[in-house]
This record gives sequence, C-alpha cells and structure tokens, in this order.
Amino acid sequence: KQEVTQIPAALSVPEGENLVLNCSFTDSAIYNLQWFRQDPGKGLTSLLLIQSSQREQTSGRLNASLDKSSGRSTLYIAASQPGDSATYLCAGLNQAGTALIFGKGTTLSVSS
Amino acid sequence: NAGVTQTPKFQVLKTGQSMTLQCAQDMNHEYMSWYRQDPGMGLRLIHYSVGAGITDQGEVPNGYNVSRSTTEDFPLRLLSAAPSQTSVYFCASREEGQGSYTFGSGTRLTVV
Repeated sequence: KQEVTQIPAALSVPEGENLVLNCSFTDSAIYNLQWFRQDPGKGLTSLLLIQSSQREQTSGRLNASLDKSSGRSTLYIAASQPGDSATYLCAGLNQAGTALIFGKGTTLSVSS
Repeated sequence: NAGVTQTPKFQVLKTGQSMTLQCAQDMNHEYMSWYRQDPGMGLRLIHYSVGAGITDQGEVPNGYNVSRSTTEDFPLRLLSAAPSQTSVYFCASREEGQGSYTFGSGTRLTVV
C-alpha cells in the first residue's frame, strides 16, 4: 500500500528564512505529484503540479522538485512571510490516475 | 467559473439519519472524487468517478454511496449516519490527462 510521509510535521521559522519541506513515498510508482496549501478550517489550494515528465515546477517564491527514482519530493519556500503560515500537503497521483495519496502535512508557522 | 461547489458547509446529524452532500463543478472535468479529512489520518479517498455513469470505491467506502448521472454533479450519500462519520468532507475534480485537482471548500459534518 502506498504511504506518504511528510517531514517535519511542524516547523516554526522567523520571517525571511528559506525553508524546505520534504515528502517521500513508499512506492515510487506515482504518476504525478501535487503540492497543496490548507489554511485552518479551509479547503485545499493547489500550489504546484509536477507532471510525470517533469522534475520540478516553480511559482513565484515556491519551487517543487520530484525524484521518482527515490520516491522523494521537496517544496522550497524562499524568503518566507507570515502569510505563508499554513499546512502544506503533498499528494501523489496513482498510476491508474484515479486517486491522490496524501501525506499528513507539514504545519508551517512564520513569525514576524 | 465557480470551480467546485459543495453544499452544505456545515451539518449536524443524529445517529441513524441519512443525508446527501452535494458537489458540483463547472469545469467539464471527467474525474471527480470524495475525500474525508480526520485529525491524524490525513485525507482518505471515499469514492471516485472517471465519468458520467462510472463510479468506484476508494479506501474508505463503507457507509457511503455515490452516483454520477451528469458530468457536473457527484453527490455523496450517507445511508445511516454514525458518529465515526464525523469528519470534514472534500469533493475534488480534475480533467483527463495530467490536470491538477481542484478542491471544494468542504462540508464539516458532525454526527451526534
């Protein structure tokens, strides 16, 4: 059974720091990978999608990479801001394309 | 575009009652899914659909039914609510191929 682990579970940093969130899969046979942001009591907002033929994607201060051979993905946030405080979830799409398998998330707190 | 719309946002049920959570999308997406999110468990797939008339079970389908009579709508039915079904429910959709998932804002359900 595919399992997704996100490390660390929680992270507190001062404003301005660069940080890396980690995501790993027990089975590297995923089709693509998506990173989401979730604010308390809210839904999921898609941040980045790394398609099967890609190794990374960038959007503004965010950069996500995917190494399928090792079953690992990282989300890099540059120059963190208090508004980045949220829970970040990674999810891999199974090979059949029918299900996202989620990690339990990393809760980020950025202090000003 | 409204994206993925879920109703209601909040619901309290008594044990044994039935109800339907509504989900509608206006993006002409073929793939639709229902997830539940519980503390410490992450998001888990309940049921999914790859097109009108086609549905299948996910990881935690017991106690739930779905149908997909149109591309736009994918309702989730709780047949006889139990306290274990207290959760936040999310509906999501994506287009065929490698499109990213779009999530609704969720329904917070409490069964007493």
